[in-house]
This record gives sequence, structure tokens and C-alpha cells, in this order.
Amino acid sequence: DAKTTQPPSMDCAEGRAANLPCNHSTISGNEYVYWYRQIHSQGPQYIIHGLKNNETNEMASLIITEDRKSSTLILPHATLRDTAVYYCIVRVQYTGANSKLTFGKGITLSVRP
Amino acid sequence: SAVISQKPSRDICQRGTSLTIQCQVDSQVTMMFWYRQQPGQSLTLIATANQGSEATYESGFVIDKFPISRPNLTFSTLTVSNMSPEDSSIYLCSVEQGSSLGKAFFGQGTRLTVV
Repeated sequence: DAKTTQPPSMDCAEGRAANLPCNHSTISGNEYVYWYRQIHSQGPQYIIHGLKNNETNEMASLIITEDRKSSTLILPHATLRDTAVYYCIVRVQYTGANSKLTFGKGITLSVRP
Repeated sequence: SAVISQKPSRDICQRGTSLTIQCQVDSQVTMMFWYRQQPGQSLTLIATANQGSEATYESGFVIDKFPISRPNLTFSTLTVSNMSPEDSSIYLCSVEQGSSLGKAFFGQGTRLTVV
């Protein structure tokens, strides 16, 4: 079972910030929060990940609460091309048998013109 | 990052037949994964394919139905055997590299329709 909980859907206006929430109350100390997105008819795409500090890259920002039980992915200026299913996943950082990516249902973001 | 090519991109197959899906990566990778995404659903891991060893299957998936080969560090195949309409799904190949800090890269998927 997925270790994260996300609302099923949300929408935002083009050009505005999209704030996508995720709850992960059972996260372990060595688990990171990863975000992926899947645009229709494409394979998932890595967005960002973090442990406890806020992270920012060219695609998005990740805000993790101090207790690490929840996080928010921020797309600062959403465009129509950001319409996708966004998956929040917790896992350890190393690659191995115990670090599988487990996808939940994700949140469907619809960006409206 | 890694560039992943999957073939075929889509196919329509008759029930009872088998289809082999190929996954080619542009660099050597340790771990390769195969996922299934049924219509309207999220991704489900089928198996992990390590070079030089047997694939490790997740609960609900068996080698007789989904045999996997991993002959080298850049290539893998997944076969969907004795297909039925319930096998109609998108099948995705994914890879991770030891230096990628847990980031996974995905192919574009193979859209399979069984009639």
C-alpha cells in the first residue's frame, strides 16, 4: 500500500501557483519524499525530492513540514502543459530491494486557461 | 538522466498469443523495473530485473505469465504470455542508476490491447 495520501484532484488557473498537498504521517527517518508526474499517454517524469529541507529546482519547489508528516509541491506559474497526474511517493534514497517506488492514485491537476 | 526506448509503442494482439516488449537504455544501469498501468489506474510494479540473475516478481505476478530477460546492463525484455483481454494495459520500463539518488527514469510505455 502507498504510504501517502493525496486529494484526488484539484485545478488552478494558468499563470497562478499550483500547491499540491501530500500527507505521509508514517514516514520513516531515512525516507525521502519524491514527486513524479505523468502527463497523459507518457511515462512518469521525476520532478523533485527532499528529506527535510525545502528544495527547489527548475520545475518546482518542495516544502516539507518540520515534523515531516506532510509536504507541498509548488508549481510557481502553472501552464496548460502542467496538466497531469502528480504522484507523491516516500522511499529511501538508495536503489535496492527495499526501495521500490510504490505509486498511489496521485492527484490530477487540471490547469485551466 | 537516462534515455529509455521501448518497442513497440503500441500493439493490438489476439488472445492466446504472446508479445515481447523491449527496453533499451542509453547507459548502463543497475536496476531495471517493469510496471503495468491498467486503464484509468496507477502504476503497479511487476518485477525488478537485475543483470545476471533471475527477475524478482511482485505479489500477483508470476514468471510463467511475464517472463523477463536481462542479458546486459542496457537492455531488458518483458513478455506477456498467453494474453487475455485483461492484459490490456500500458507496460512501462523504468531504470535507476546508482548515482541517481533514487530518481527513476521511465520509458514512454507500450500500449497493449488484447482482442
